[in-house]
Amino acid sequence: QVQLQESGPGLVKPSETLSLTCTVSGDSISTYYWGWLRQPPGKGLEWIAYIYHTGSTNYNPSLKSRVTMSIDTSKNHFSLRLSSVTAADTAVYYCARYPPSGGWFDPWGQGTLVTVSS
Amino acid sequence: QSALTQPPSASGSPGQTVTISCTGTSSDVGAYNYVSWYQQHPGKAPKLMIYEVTKRPSGVPDRFSGSKSGNTASLTVSGLQAEDEADYYCSSYAGNSNLIFGGGTKLTVL
Repeated sequence: QVQLQESGPGLVKPSETLSLTCTVSGDSISTYYWGWLRQPPGKGLEWIAYIYHTGSTNYNPSLKSRVTMSIDTSKNHFSLRLSSVTAADTAVYYCARYPPSGGWFDPWGQGTLVTVSS
Repeated sequence: QSALTQPPSASGSPGQTVTISCTGTSSDVGAYNYVSWYQQHPGKAPKLMIYEVTKRPSGVPDRFSGSKSGNTASLTVSGLQAEDEADYYCSSYAGNSNLIFGGGTKLTVL
């Protein structure tokens, strides 16, 4: 059974870069696409980006200028970098599996809260 | 891209049937059969309940069903149970490799 686990700093200063990693177990990272989503406290879900094992990426147009995703198939993990963060980027960040046929995320990691504050 | 429109709340008594709507446009919900629904309990990660408009992942009770008509998709929960109380989010493929979500609906079991 595939499991995903997010890791990274829980506190990031404004204007700095948020960096998170998602480690996949129970499945090869070379089989699917893999994505990042987020949920600000008390608010709804937002898709950030997804990546294929080849390194091919797709980014939410509203975040594209600040987002970079990468993948390391040897370590079975993928990463997110979000630059120039502000308080509006405070959210629970989730990683999730995205099938090649597209359209949905399943399963999801447990999520990690990232707070942007000085 | 604007978010999909969901009612902020819905409710029903145990055993009843509740339907949650998700309205998009002819560029997302109306254009693709890639509508999905997620259930989220407080403090937990979202769980996929419906994908490709009508399909249920293994392990999801058949009390949950999905449908679509034009630019509006719907999630129906029949035989409501206490554990169905949660937030529900719809999502749709929106073309050009993009995805959008609805604002979420809080389902209360009375």
